[in-house]
Amino acid sequence: DADVTQTPRNRITKTGKRIMLECSQTKGHDRMYWYRQDPGLGLRLIYYSFDVKDINKGEISDGYSVSRQAQAKFSLSLESAIPNQTALYFCATSPGRRYQETQYFGPGTRLLVL
Amino acid sequence: DQQVKQNSPSLSVQEGRISILNCDYTNSMFDYFLWYKKYPAEGPTFLISISSIKDKNEDGRFTVFLNKSAKHLSLHIVPSQPGDSAVYFCAASAGYWNNNDMRFGAGTRLTVKP
Repeated sequence: DADVTQTPRNRITKTGKRIMLECSQTKGHDRMYWYRQDPGLGLRLIYYSFDVKDINKGEISDGYSVSRQAQAKFSLSLESAIPNQTALYFCATSPGRRYQETQYFGPGTRLLVL
Repeated sequence: DQQVKQNSPSLSVQEGRISILNCDYTNSMFDYFLWYKKYPAEGPTFLISISSIKDKNEDGRFTVFLNKSAKHLSLHIVPSQPGDSAVYFCAASAGYWNNNDMRFGAGTRLTVKP
């Protein structure tokens, strides 16, 4: 079984709809992240969480919100989806216990906003 | 502003030859650099990293070189194999408490021809 899972894997929605992307991990890591990938721009950080009570905005948080329900679960919400939020979304985790850590990524959610 | 740049969107090499992927960065605070590999429909997977206190790190067929004065790093794959065909992302971060602030390049698509 994958250590970092994302649901759904694909989603089509309409402008103005609220949607939630979910991430779960079995790695026991404290830190979790949400990124989006756009062609020609690489991955950009949306939100990150150091633990259940610590949530922080990333580089491009406008239009998004998150919820850290437990150490293992981190959800990303689009309150009112718009077409330029069409992208590939990745969840990632890292242990949060030592200097210079690697992040481990989920398989991604492909979102299309019509 | 893109603080991490991969100026070659694609690279094609023959099996058995060397692949060299390049990455430039602008933020002198970056002190940890990583390469991730991404196959279609999968999340990025960690490949190799290097701390700014080193100028070379080797792991099997993969070697990363860091030139701090030029703010440049490169990934060498020797010998290249068809299974290495993927998109490679360069990433950089600045310090433990900024581990969240990992910046990614746009990626280079490597094709290794049999």
